[in-house]
Amino acid sequence: EVQLVETGGGLVRPGSSLKLSCATSGFTFSNTWMNWVRQAPGKGLEWVALIKDKYSNYEANYAESVKGRFTISRDDSKSRVYLQMNTLRDQDTATYYCTRLGYWGQGVMVTVSS
Amino acid sequence: DIQMTQSPSFLSASVGDRVTINCKASQNINKYLNWYQQKLGEAPKRLIYNTNNLQTGIPSRFSGSGSGTDYTLTISSLQPEDFATYFCLQHNSFPFTFGSGTKLEIK
Repeated sequence: EVQLVETGGGLVRPGSSLKLSCATSGFTFSNTWMNWVRQAPGKGLEWVALIKDKYSNYEANYAESVKGRFTISRDDSKSRVYLQMNTLRDQDTATYYCTRLGYWGQGVMVTVSS
Repeated sequence: DIQMTQSPSFLSASVGDRVTINCKASQNINKYLNWYQQKLGEAPKRLIYNTNNLQTGIPSRFSGSGSGTDYTLTISSLQPEDFATYFCLQHNSFPFTFGSGTKLEIK
């Protein structure tokens, strides 16, 4: 059974940092491209970032709204993907989902507020 | 960036109705179009991938079609559990982009 479990969310002040983690199981993580997608309260879905596999040199792509502030990474030995979020803004407040597009985690809430 | 224009934003329908939801891309997305269903408080669930491929476990009343810039999700006979919000996603090129969503409500 495919499972994705996000952790690391919370309430933080504007300008601060937070690192999300997504633990996966039930599929061959090392050759799977992984994404982070977010959803602000009551709003639609926004794709945030993707990291490709080792065969694609772990290339990463980002939404313009997070480029330069967020970094996606992965640890194939642990079947985990991460999202390092720096210089957080109020508008980054959202539920963050880890996903391989066909399967999604349950999401983790990040609230940025003073 | 590719813009995804989804319509309608709201749809009111009855159990047993046939409904269609549309997504129009601002450029050719080569059929790299997924459809998702999301219920309140839950993660999205993929229904259709790459335009017309039914996700395992999804009822056959859901179907997808399209090509180029125009794509459609069809629910052939609405069931009570289908009342939810639906999103399209283009994954042809970066940044991936979602449609704005269609909220399907009971008439």
